[in-house]
Amino acid sequence: DVKVTQSSRYLVKRTGEKVFLECVQDMDHENMFWYRQDPGLGLRLIYFSYDVKMKEKGDIPEGYSVSREKKERFSLILESASTNQTSMYLCASSLIRVRDRITDTQYFGPGTRLTVL
Amino acid sequence: KQEVTQIPAALSVPEGENLVLNCSFTDSAIYNLQWFRQDPGKGLTSLLLIQSSQREQTSGRLNASLDKSSGRSTLYIAASQPGDSATYLCAVRRLDSGAGSYQLTFGKGTKLSVIP
Repeated sequence: DVKVTQSSRYLVKRTGEKVFLECVQDMDHENMFWYRQDPGLGLRLIYFSYDVKMKEKGDIPEGYSVSREKKERFSLILESASTNQTSMYLCASSLIRVRDRITDTQYFGPGTRLTVL
Repeated sequence: KQEVTQIPAALSVPEGENLVLNCSFTDSAIYNLQWFRQDPGKGLTSLLLIQSSQREQTSGRLNASLDKSSGRSTLYIAASQPGDSATYLCAVRRLDSGAGSYQLTFGKGTKLSVIP
């Protein structure tokens, strides 16, 4: 079974703090994603990575940065947390190639509910 | 820009009913479409993935269909159970090449309640 883990289920931080959200997958997936989910807005892509040290901006990258130093780990960084970054953050991974077959089902972690006070 | 719409936003049915959830998308140039389930406060669980060349996929009591030309997909749940209560989301992956093509565009979901 694919497993995507996130470092915290719940996190409370203060405005201006630097926040690190960690995500680890154990299936050798090439792609990793960070989303945030807000009521009425659905899931929105923040950043994704298609290879180690590679990253692409999603729909709402402002105020965030990412790091992917190893294939299995993808970190989301809030350089200076603000109250409008209070949200549920979801990490996902996908894409594995076995011989000629590519499977790109996205697998999600349990989520981190971040509150910024 | 791709837009994905799911109607209705919420649905309540008695246990045992068969039901259909709808998903529509504006750009038919898609690579595949996925249906997910999300329980309250949890992450998403992939249910079915349909490639653009396929018409349907089945898993147990679930059947997903895809009509790419009309920009529609349906998720059929047979003999619904209270344990099926969750939010169901559909997402499409676009067709173009390049790193960005791995992105999914999500609908906002349909919240399903199955009443015992």
